[in-house]
Amino acid sequence: AQTVTQSQPEMSVQEAETVTLSCTYDTSESDYYLFWYKQPPSRQMILVIRQEAYKQQNATENRFSVNFQKAAKSFSLKISDSQLGDAAMYFCAYRRLQGAQKLVFGQGTRLTINP
Amino acid sequence: SAVISQKPSRDICQRGTSLTIQCQVDSQVTMMFWYRQQPGQSLTLIATANQGSEATYESGFVIDKFPISRPNLTFSTLTVSNMSPEDSSIYLCSVRMGGGTEAFFGQGTRLTVV
Repeated sequence: AQTVTQSQPEMSVQEAETVTLSCTYDTSESDYYLFWYKQPPSRQMILVIRQEAYKQQNATENRFSVNFQKAAKSFSLKISDSQLGDAAMYFCAYRRLQGAQKLVFGQGTRLTINP
Repeated sequence: SAVISQKPSRDICQRGTSLTIQCQVDSQVTMMFWYRQQPGQSLTLIATANQGSEATYESGFVIDKFPISRPNLTFSTLTVSNMSPEDSSIYLCSVRMGGGTEAFFGQGTRLTVV
């Protein structure tokens, strides 16, 4: 079974600084998707960024980028120029390309932004 | 993208009773899922709601406790039956469009069982 591990329960960063959230996963599949979701206090799960495993290029969405290391099964999220609105729980998630379509989530990292 | 309306937003229920949560999507979707998020925890899939047939449950979740309906491609319900305090959680509906990669989530239902 696939597993996702986030080893940082909490992180904090100064406003306008850069922070990196870590995620590792375990799978025997060669093709899959990886995601970072953000969950603010409103409870709404919001997709931040996604990565297809067959793409070597790291995904980027404005201030958010990933460092995808397929061989190491690592998928970290970098947030540049941190803003107060980035404060939330961040979940790393995995989904198989074929077969079961469910998302497997990591334990989450609570990110605090210090003004 | 999809707009998902989940009701109720929150509820406080007596143990032994049941609560039905509704998930309405503004467009037809291929897949609908129900997740549970226990306090301070991550999300765990309860089941995949199948249109016109019985839901597919994950290990540890059973139909008698979490009956699910999906009468069409835009609507599903999850019932939490015979509730106990251990059922206090956030329950989230999630959908994926046909051919789409990402999943969209409702705003969740915060359930407290007393």
